[in-house]
Amino acid sequence: GAVVSQHPSRVICKSGTSVKIECRSLDFQATTMFWYRQFPKKSLMLMATSNEGSKATYEQGVEKDKFLINHASLTLSTLTVTSAHPEDSSFYICSAQRSSRAYEQYFGPGTRLTVT
Amino acid sequence: AQSVAQPEDQVNVAEGNPLTVKCTYSVSGNPYLFWYVQYPNRGLQFLLKYITGDNLVKGSYGFEAEFNKSQTSFHLKKPSALVSDSALYFCAVRVSYSGAGSYQLTFGKGTKLSVIP
Repeated sequence: GAVVSQHPSRVICKSGTSVKIECRSLDFQATTMFWYRQFPKKSLMLMATSNEGSKATYEQGVEKDKFLINHASLTLSTLTVTSAHPEDSSFYICSAQRSSRAYEQYFGPGTRLTVT
Repeated sequence: AQSVAQPEDQVNVAEGNPLTVKCTYSVSGNPYLFWYVQYPNRGLQFLLKYITGDNLVKGSYGFEAEFNKSQTSFHLKKPSALVSDSALYFCAVRVSYSGAGSYQLTFGKGTKLSVIP
């Protein structure tokens, strides 16, 4: 149990275009999902916290108009990188927290975004 | 501020030897601590957590961690390392309350474990 998927696993896009990344909890409901960004050989940086049915809470320094987050259901959250630029290239990881067990988070496999 | 520190960027250990990956924490109140492992180009996998109770916590894949309040440490250990244990290990601490029963995690910078055959 506690499987989280992400789609796509890899995406290459041109500068100026938008990219949507999906995060799904496959076998449990997640009231809250988190989006992280990981740079090479670096730790995870929390970008935003996404609660189902409400607006995402963004960490300081993260542009909410650039990184659009939607948490439409208890099993799906999406991150859209708008007007992507090469500096947005990174590894994006989502995690989900069970509604009934509020301790550990379960992580997706990550999405490698490359903006050319 | 709640934080964790992993003082070692890399740990090398011979296969079959015991391994330790270090983590220290700084929190106000009772700490909720976690260990995660990340394989190349993959997400993080949960290994174990300390919430309360016994100081020695047992987790997945034969790993365990010892909570030491006086030393504010939560070191990850395994009695006998396997080559397949080679990965990036992250210590994390629960921080602010995000609402709806959820919590954010703050991660250490990670420690790369290399198990040498």
